[in-house]
Amino acid sequence: DAMVIQNPRYQVTQFGKPVTLSCSQTLNHNVMYWYQQKSSQAPKLLFHYYDKDFNNEADTPDNFQSRRPNTSFCFLDIRSPGLGDAAMYLCATGGPRADTQYFGPGTRLTVL
Amino acid sequence: KQEVTQIPAALSVPEGENLVLNCSFTDSAIYNLQWFRQDPGKGLTSLLLIQSSQREQTSGRLNASLDKSSGRSTLYIAASQPGDSATYLCAALMDSSYKLIFGSGTRLLVRP
Repeated sequence: DAMVIQNPRYQVTQFGKPVTLSCSQTLNHNVMYWYQQKSSQAPKLLFHYYDKDFNNEADTPDNFQSRRPNTSFCFLDIRSPGLGDAAMYLCATGGPRADTQYFGPGTRLTVL
Repeated sequence: KQEVTQIPAALSVPEGENLVLNCSFTDSAIYNLQWFRQDPGKGLTSLLLIQSSQREQTSGRLNASLDKSSGRSTLYIAASQPGDSATYLCAALMDSSYKLIFGSGTRLLVRP
């Protein structure tokens, strides 16, 4: 049974056209994370939520925003995608101490 | 600032070989260390998690060790199979936060 679900799996957008990626979880975990992973690179943390508390990484561009309307869902909004934003976007969840992070299958974003 | 390094970046071995993947970290104040597997274009699958108080963990043909004092972890794969071909990532969970710091991975190819 899928525990962390990401939709869509593949997203194609045009340069500058806003896009929203979705993540949902059935684990009831407090913490949700968004990572960006470019080809052959390590996943890079963009931000995370502990419950409704939002924590932005210092080097995350302003172009990236996130919303967490409830425990189960978290969204990544890219306001004006550039060619450099093409990547795999990974969502993950963690319990109160985030001992283990559970990753979704990722959304592959292509920017034309 | 924690840095996680994985050597080698790529490895090709014939089927049946035992192999070791290396991971090093600069800050020993870690809560745990996790090894993940990533297949091309897919998300991350957790393989083994070692708490900071532990020395090793085993799952099937996989054995991971942790030496905090030297800042090293190794992933040992016994009797490698073509199905083991993937990228293997290690990640350190910092003691002071909920953040995973990833290495850039070792790309493993097991040749039949």
